[in-house]
Amino acid sequence: TQLLEQSPQFLSIQEGENLTVYCNSSSVFSSLQWYRQEPGEGPVLLVTVVTGGEVKKLKRLTFQFGDARKDSSLHITAAQPGDTGLYLCAGAWDNQGGKLIFGQGTELSVKP
Amino acid sequence: DVKVTQSSRYLVKRTGEKVFLECVQDMDHENMFWYRQDPGLGLRLIYFSYDVKMKEKGDIPEGYSVSREKKERFSLILESASTNQTSMYLCASSSAGRLRDTQYFGPGTRLTVL
Repeated sequence: TQLLEQSPQFLSIQEGENLTVYCNSSSVFSSLQWYRQEPGEGPVLLVTVVTGGEVKKLKRLTFQFGDARKDSSLHITAAQPGDTGLYLCAGAWDNQGGKLIFGQGTELSVKP
Repeated sequence: DVKVTQSSRYLVKRTGEKVFLECVQDMDHENMFWYRQDPGLGLRLIYFSYDVKMKEKGDIPEGYSVSREKKERFSLILESASTNQTSMYLCASSSAGRLRDTQYFGPGTRLTVL
């Protein structure tokens, strides 16, 4: 059983479209992170959200942490081919000393 | 710039061979992690270490062991490689302080066991 359910697993869209990726759990996290991974590379941190209801923006990317700190979403506006990659959410608990639990990932392909 | 390096990008081994995967970080981080990444399963934690000579099992430690003799180096060992250990292996490190949730990843080693 996956502690963090990410959806959709695959997404193929045209340049300029909007999209949302969801990350859901029954667990409450102290923080939740979003990473992006390009082919042949390791994941790179995009953002960390720590407060229930928190919204963070990174250019065309908007990240939201659920009020109950059990879920999160990533919204991309006007997707570009450069947004193509694997998006991973990861949850952390305060008493786990830096251990993360990862979702399955969302493979995004943005076609020109 | 932070840096996590892994000894090989690609590795091909035979069933039964002993395999060493090396990871080095230059950020003086206390925490180091080994994950394997398989399609549709995300990253699964194999082992992690909070300090030199300390190690703790992650979610899927069977068939693996680790070694941390120096703070900057964390090695993953496959004592007797099997085909079901064919995977992408990722090493990561993080500090022990306030930013401990931020993990920095190496580029990965794609291991094929024949």
